[in-house]
Amino acid sequence: GAVVSQHPSWVICKSGTSVKIECRSLDFQATTMFWYRQFPKQSLMLMATSNEGSKATYEQGVEKDKFLINHASLTLSTLTVTSAHPEDSSFYICSARGVAGTYSPLHFGNGTRLTVT
Amino acid sequence: EDKVVQSPLSLVVHEGDTVTLNCSYEVTNFRSLLWYKQEKKAPTFLFMLTSSGIEKKSGRLSSILDKKELFSILNITATQTGDSAVYLCAVGGSGNTPLVFGKGTRLSVIA
Repeated sequence: GAVVSQHPSWVICKSGTSVKIECRSLDFQATTMFWYRQFPKQSLMLMATSNEGSKATYEQGVEKDKFLINHASLTLSTLTVTSAHPEDSSFYICSARGVAGTYSPLHFGNGTRLTVT
Repeated sequence: EDKVVQSPLSLVVHEGDTVTLNCSYEVTNFRSLLWYKQEKKAPTFLFMLTSSGIEKKSGRLSSILDKKELFSILNITATQTGDSAVYLCAVGGSGNTPLVFGKGTRLSVIA
C-alpha cells in the first residue's frame, strides 16, 4: 500500500532556531500533501495544504511566514518551522493522498515530535 | 463550517467486550468518511466509506455509513488490549479538499 515517510521522527531545538521536516511519498506521486499538528490528547488540526509546484494554502490562524512549506516535487514536501518557540512544541504529521485523488484514503507519515527548549 | 463529532470521547471496557464508536458529520459536498486508529504515532487507516448501508469488515472491526442520517459507526467485537488506541473519524469533501477530523474516541481495553 501507499507509504509516506516523514523525517525526522523527533527533534529538540533551541528557541530561535529553525527546523525542517520532510515528508516523502515513497511509492506513489502526491500532487497534494497535507500538514497537520496535534497537541497532546487532541485531534489533528490542519495547518496547510501543500500543492506541488505552487504556493501552499494555509488555514486560518496559521502563520505562513513561520511555517514555510515547499512542495518542489511530486514526492517531497517540506515544512520549516522558523524561529521556533516553546509554544511550537507539538506533534507534526504530514499526509498524502494516492493517485485516485479524493477516492483514495489519506496516508500519514509517522509524525515528527518537535520540542523547543 | 464542516464539522465531525465523535462519541463517546473516551471509553473503558474489558477484554472480550464489544464496543460501538459513533461519528456524526456535517460537511459540504460529502465524498467519503474514513476511520483511523492512532496509537503512539501517526494514524493508521482502517476503513473508507462512500456508500450508505454497505458494511466494511476487517477481522473484528466493521463499519457502516448512513448518509441520510449523516453518521457512521465503528464496531469492534471481542476486544483485546491491543485495540486500545484513539479512533479518529474523518470526512472528506469534494475536490482535493483536506479531511476534517473529529476529536477521536480514546478506547482503553483492560484485561
